[in-house]
Amino acid sequence: DAKTTQPPSMDCAEGRAANLPCNHSTISGNEYVYWYRQIHSQGPQYIIHGLKNNETNEMASLIITEDRKSSTLILPHATLRDTAVYYCIAVSAGGTSYGKLTFGQGTILTVHP
Amino acid sequence: NAGVTQTPKFQVLKTGQSMTLQCAQDMNHNSMYWYRQDPGMGLRLIYYSASEGTTDKGEVPNGYNVSRLNKREFSLRLESAAPSQTSVYFCASSDGTSNYGYTFGSGTRLTVV
Repeated sequence: DAKTTQPPSMDCAEGRAANLPCNHSTISGNEYVYWYRQIHSQGPQYIIHGLKNNETNEMASLIITEDRKSSTLILPHATLRDTAVYYCIAVSAGGTSYGKLTFGQGTILTVHP
Repeated sequence: NAGVTQTPKFQVLKTGQSMTLQCAQDMNHNSMYWYRQDPGMGLRLIYYSASEGTTDKGEVPNGYNVSRLNKREFSLRLESAAPSQTSVYFCASSDGTSNYGYTFGSGTRLTVV
């Protein structure tokens, strides 16, 4: 699976949009981009995933660049409860790494009042 | 619908003792996984079971054994605990298709003294 690079930390004001970047310049054509978050040592929580197109669900939006070398997770109206570690993970749709997530260090997002 | 349930939540072991961490899911998922998370680190895969009756090693399998007892249950055993196995252990499950929206348990915090 492709390696992903994320900033170690980011801040955001409550009520504003939080935009979390992820670089995956070596991603291959069959690799999805997945986002998870971990709140205060709880089990990680799935947020969203995508392959080529932008995606939106009730939690967030995922913007993937046309060349697929980077993506941005957007939390449209951040709240204090969104303070967490956010992980961007590239996952193959098949092969020997099928179904296995490789977690990096992630981005610590701190939402301020 | 409880999702993924892990027991116990906390455990302290002496070096050399053995124990089994239990995990059960009620979502009829095919695949189950065991991860460990050391302080300040991302999660690392210990073992996984792609389907009932199969198990495979992950990134850090040494010192552990697993049993996929049935479709619901996937246990992790430490035969002779070592201080290096002090960690938080997370169990997860997925439907085993290309949807990697894992569901994680709340974790077992293990200290080996």
